[in-house]
Amino acid sequence: QVQLKESGPGLVQPSQTLSLTCTVSGLSLTSNSVSWIRQPPGKGLEWMGVIWSNGGTDYNSAIKSRLSISRDTSKSQVFLKMNSLQTEDTAMYFCARNFDYWGQGVMVTVSS
Amino acid sequence: DIVMTQGALPNPVPSGESASITCRSSKSLVYKDGKTYLNWFLQRPGQSPQLLTYWTSTRASGVSERFSGSGSGTYFTLKISRVRAEDAGVYYCQQVREYPYTFGAGTKLELK
Repeated sequence: QVQLKESGPGLVQPSQTLSLTCTVSGLSLTSNSVSWIRQPPGKGLEWMGVIWSNGGTDYNSAIKSRLSISRDTSKSQVFLKMNSLQTEDTAMYFCARNFDYWGQGVMVTVSS
Repeated sequence: DIVMTQGALPNPVPSGESASITCRSSKSLVYKDGKTYLNWFLQRPGQSPQLLTYWTSTRASGVSERFSGSGSGTYFTLKISRVRAEDAGVYYCQQVREYPYTFGAGTKLELK
């Protein structure tokens, strides 16, 4: 059974770095891609980036300079790091495999 | 970036009726392999998005036959037959033809 679960801090201060983890089960990261998607409260979905099965990455150009996605295949974990956070980065953050399996999401609030 | 524009629904929709949601892309979503890279999702209140269809018209695993996707090039439609209470939520189209992957703003379906 494929499952993904996001984890990370619920509150981040402005200008700080966000670190999130997506822990997967029921699939291998060496044969599946994982995307990160975020959704501000009451708004739509924004694709942030993807890590491919070969470890390569692609990012949304709008946030590429602040974003890094990596993984640890031995732990079945995918990581998101985004720096210079601002209040507009407040959102629910999801990880998803090929968009067919999604985690429950983790809410991140950027506030001092 | 490819802009995805979704149409509205004449809410509320009576239970048992059909509903169609339109989605236009600012660029053709046909890739050189001949496939058209358009996904549809349903996000129920408080839940993660659920993939309904991919490649314009292929239903995802476990998705009811009441959901059917159609279209080509830059114009797409998701038809929901015999609408039921569980179909309520926000529907999103998404292009995965090129980076950055982009979503429409969403179309809300309310039932009467």
